[in-house]
Amino acid sequence: GAGVSQSPRYKVAKRGQDVALRCDPISGHVSLFWYQQALGQGPEFLTYFQNEAQLDKSGLPSDRFFAERPEGSVSTLKIQRTQQEDSAVYLCASSYGAARDNSPLHFGNGTRLTVT
Amino acid sequence: DQQVKQNSPSLSVQEGRISILNCDYTNSMFDYFLWYKKYPAEGPTFLISISSIKDKNEDGRFTVFLNKSAKHLSLHIVPSQPGDSAVYFCAATPLNAGGTSYGKLTFGQGTILTVHP
Repeated sequence: GAGVSQSPRYKVAKRGQDVALRCDPISGHVSLFWYQQALGQGPEFLTYFQNEAQLDKSGLPSDRFFAERPEGSVSTLKIQRTQQEDSAVYLCASSYGAARDNSPLHFGNGTRLTVT
Repeated sequence: DQQVKQNSPSLSVQEGRISILNCDYTNSMFDYFLWYKKYPAEGPTFLISISSIKDKNEDGRFTVFLNKSAKHLSLHIVPSQPGDSAVYFCAATPLNAGGTSYGKLTFGQGTILTVHP
């Protein structure tokens, strides 16, 4: 498909478990963002990659959250020792240019994480 | 603190009428504004945007108005159609503020629009 693909679509984790969420951006897209959307809220920025470089991780809520994009395409968001407050939809978005270029963001359908 | 606010959680409109969705912001560094539309179980999709150098941008049935002095923007949908029923998010970014700003979006809480046939 031509869109941003995220997997899994749903993930249930027991508190304390580690999880890994995958994002396949649109081929050739330079910029990749991760957002967290809590129930009833708008998406909140987590981190930004330009190619393989993580230029901003200021939105990551704690050191339990880690993101990587080693080859400048696929990205993984890892959450260690999950807590109930981590339950949310995690959205990945990509755009063709660098973020300053006004290229619109293309969002994936998200991964809904439920921590029990 | 909520830098982008959508104070109406929901809006109900009759088909064919105008839908007006409102958004307020507090950060004067924001200079580029966007509206996204979201259907259940899908990611947000880009709808329309406006730069702070303009006060209006139109695309088909969708028009965005920006009032910089009031730090307020609105999205007008005319005429509204049942397929427009979705959650609408306002977003803002300090695109040209320099330094470390680069287009990171700050979203409002969203407004659920329901268009009745």
